[in-house]
Amino acid sequence: GESVGLHLPTLSVQEGDNSIINCAYSNSASDYFIWYKQESGKGPQFIIDIRSNMDKRQGQRVTVLLNKTVKHLSLQIAATQPGDSAVYFCAETYNFNKFYFGSGTKLNVKP
Amino acid sequence: DADVTQTPRNRITKTGKRIMLECSQTKGHDRMYWYRQDPGLGLRLIYYSFDVKDINKGEISDGYSVSRQAQAKFSLSLESAIPNQTALYFCATSNSQAPNEKLFFGSGTQLSVL
Repeated sequence: GESVGLHLPTLSVQEGDNSIINCAYSNSASDYFIWYKQESGKGPQFIIDIRSNMDKRQGQRVTVLLNKTVKHLSLQIAATQPGDSAVYFCAETYNFNKFYFGSGTKLNVKP
Repeated sequence: DADVTQTPRNRITKTGKRIMLECSQTKGHDRMYWYRQDPGLGLRLIYYSFDVKDINKGEISDGYSVSRQAQAKFSLSLESAIPNQTALYFCATSNSQAPNEKLFFGSGTQLSVL
């Protein structure tokens, strides 16, 4: 039979605004986290990572925040551009054994 | 990532057929993975291999098998395809010697089972 997938959470922002994408992870022992960006028709691409001994890490226009108390990860994108439109996934791993992915958030950037 | 190549990019097949999806990498990474992506869902791990002689089941291995023919090649087989295996399949690699190990993905294979 035909499988029916879930609708992705969608975040719509105006070009130039800041975006915040959230992720709740499942394993309190996870010690490394990654944000991936997936554009239509492409595989996921690495954006930024953070280890569990850090609370914040900044890249170019992107910041990842980690709150281990509530097992929450967020990705902040500054001055969002049309090229940022994509699906964003968080991934977690413990001791680089296996990576587990969240279901993703779709970011729509309106011009 | 062009260093991780998946073939074919698209495949349509019928129920009961045997299908092989291939993945090759030029990154020199020791670890390789097969993931499945369904609409609105995250990536789910099918099988993974940490070395040529190492094969491990992931979350959803039933109905699939793999072969690690060489460090650079990791193929996924569906012995008897069924419609609910219609999905987007990704191969990924990682380097266990890297300080912070990351997954690098191929462009995916869209498989449709009729």
